[in-house]
Amino acid sequence: DQQVKQNSPSLSVQEGRISILNCDYTNSMFDYFLWYKKYPAEGPTFLISISSIKDKNEDGRFTVFLNKSAKHLSLHIVPSQPGDSAVYFCAASDYSGAGSYQLTFGKGTKLSVIP
Amino acid sequence: DTGVSQNPRHKITKRGQNVTFRCDPISEHNRLYWYRQTLGQGPEFLTYFQNEAQLEKSRLLSDRFSAERPKGSFSTLEIQRTEQGDSAMYLCASSSTIGAIYGYTFGSGTRLTVV
Repeated sequence: DQQVKQNSPSLSVQEGRISILNCDYTNSMFDYFLWYKKYPAEGPTFLISISSIKDKNEDGRFTVFLNKSAKHLSLHIVPSQPGDSAVYFCAASDYSGAGSYQLTFGKGTKLSVIP
Repeated sequence: DTGVSQNPRHKITKRGQNVTFRCDPISEHNRLYWYRQTLGQGPEFLTYFQNEAQLEKSRLLSDRFSAERPKGSFSTLEIQRTEQGDSAMYLCASSSTIGAIYGYTFGSGTRLTVV
């Protein structure tokens, strides 16, 4: 059973427009959410995160929104740039007690920004 | 510091053979994680080390898998009697205690192909 779901395998957006990537989760124990960006042949790179006690976190062109009641989060990229083309993974963490911030990932959404 | 280093980048092996991968984390990071990513999926947690102690193991880590982190520095992941289902990208990540929840640093991974 997938605890973190990214239902859109791919998304195409024109350069300069907004990209919105969505993520749903089922485990109410998750207390921290992260977005990672991955280019081919590279490992995932941390992009932005949000604690479960917040509903919005902004970093430059990237904003993450969290709706706890709906168990939904989204990543907004404004304006989108061709260099943003990559696979974006949503991940969630619950502190295990053993000191491990084990991450549960979604399957990813491939974003293509068209010049 | 050049980030998290993983070797080899690619490994092709015959079914039934043993393979070993190495991960060199960022030097000041005391936490080290192994994840596995199969085609079309997000990374899945395998195991976690804090310094030299292996504190968590996923049920995905069958008896054929073993991981070590002697002296709390580099780590190795060994797969014995490889099976075709072991074909995947094996990702290593590290983080420090402070800021551990803000996202780890991943390596570029070792891609294993079992033929």
